[in-house]
Amino acid sequence: DGGITQSPKYLFRKEGQNVTLSCEQNLNHDAMYWYRQDPGQGLRLIYYSQIVNDFQKGDIAEGYSVSREKKESFPLTVTSAQKNPTAFYLCASSKRLAEYEQYFGPGTRLTVT
Amino acid sequence: GQQVMQIPQYQHVQEGEDFTTYCNSSTTLSNIQWYKQRPGGHPVFLIQLVKSGEVKKQKRLTFQFGEAKKNSSLHITATQTTDVGTYFCAGRPGNTPLVFGKGTRLSVIA
Repeated sequence: DGGITQSPKYLFRKEGQNVTLSCEQNLNHDAMYWYRQDPGQGLRLIYYSQIVNDFQKGDIAEGYSVSREKKESFPLTVTSAQKNPTAFYLCASSKRLAEYEQYFGPGTRLTVT
Repeated sequence: GQQVMQIPQYQHVQEGEDFTTYCNSSTTLSNIQWYKQRPGGHPVFLIQLVKSGEVKKQKRLTFQFGEAKKNSSLHITATQTTDVGTYFCAGRPGNTPLVFGKGTRLSVIA
């Protein structure tokens, strides 16, 4: 059963802690993405990766970090430097960066208090 | 960064009425994609348009890409309660990742 998995579905953290969100895909896609979704804001791109061991900042990368050590995995770390980390985080993948549809995971809702 | 503007932000319709959402970019887009996100769910790809003036249909949904490749629309004929959700357009202004509009949230009153 191919697709993208994100875990956990809900995550609660105290302010000042780093937290890592998991994203795994078995679609053999080269490109992977992280988006943040806030009410009324649509999808804002945090980071993206076109290929293993390479990634680029998106529009709102400050306070976040990523790694792409394996094709299947693209974890996102929300650091304590992120001022407003509470949000719905969506991971996506596509065959390649250009001209291809994106497949989204179910998302992780992060709450930081 | 590049922006893709989408209007309206919200639309409430009676079941059976038509619905349209519009997407505009200040720069030419190499393609436009449309996604639907059900309440509590994740975005799901609907369609991609690539050619200038392209029109595609999926049952009651009609998608258009403008002649200048700067605007697009999604029209739903005779809405049903299953159409409820947020519809996003996403375009590529050059060799860049997709830029998503803020979405149009559709409510259908039975």
